[in-house]
Amino acid sequence: DTGVSQNPRHKITKRGQNVTFRCDPISEHNRLYWYRQTLGQGPEFLTYFQNEAQLEKSRLLSDRFSAERPKGSFSTLEIQRTEQGDSAMYLCASSSPGRNNYGYTFGSGTRLTVV
Amino acid sequence: QKEVEQNSGPLSVPEGAIASLNCTYSDRVSQSFFWYRQYSGKSPELIMSIYSNGDKEDGRFTAQLNKASQYVSLLIRDSQPSDSATYLCAVKLGGTALIFGKGTTLSVSS
Repeated sequence: DTGVSQNPRHKITKRGQNVTFRCDPISEHNRLYWYRQTLGQGPEFLTYFQNEAQLEKSRLLSDRFSAERPKGSFSTLEIQRTEQGDSAMYLCASSSPGRNNYGYTFGSGTRLTVV
Repeated sequence: QKEVEQNSGPLSVPEGAIASLNCTYSDRVSQSFFWYRQYSGKSPELIMSIYSNGDKEDGRFTAQLNKASQYVSLLIRDSQPSDSATYLCAVKLGGTALIFGKGTTLSVSS
């Protein structure tokens, strides 16, 4: 169990550019979640996958945001035409049924700064 | 009305004291409740989960759930300076994804 891996750890981009983040979940976890967290706030749900199917999306996920999990393994989150308000920590988590009944394991996050 | 509410704090307790962290939620059908700890600049880590009314103990941590009052709490006994962190309450509200509160910042002074 190598944990949830996210890349890159930090990303600085100019407003209007596109960015893509990657998440590799714990291998036996079939559920993968994306959250966004800003300073002083709890994580805000963006979207979730069960295997390769995207089953739920938050209204926070505007049409500039897209997420994929093509083979039910790693996932990517793309933000197009970034805005300064997109600056946040983007957290990925994975889970599966088990002892903690879908309690999540989070990755270290990708910190996005839009300048 | 916010779905998961926590007092943002800071909650300050002396070393060795009991820290009590509280959380209320809006959806009566919620079945799963979690407490996460988040150190500054780090990602959240799961401390405890609770699904049934009553208390659940794990070491120095006790989670308490009262579904009738829509209330869940976390007690930390013998608080240590290393417990200083933000504690996030998370609830599975109807859907599948967890909804998090804003978190309560705990400061344990030595």
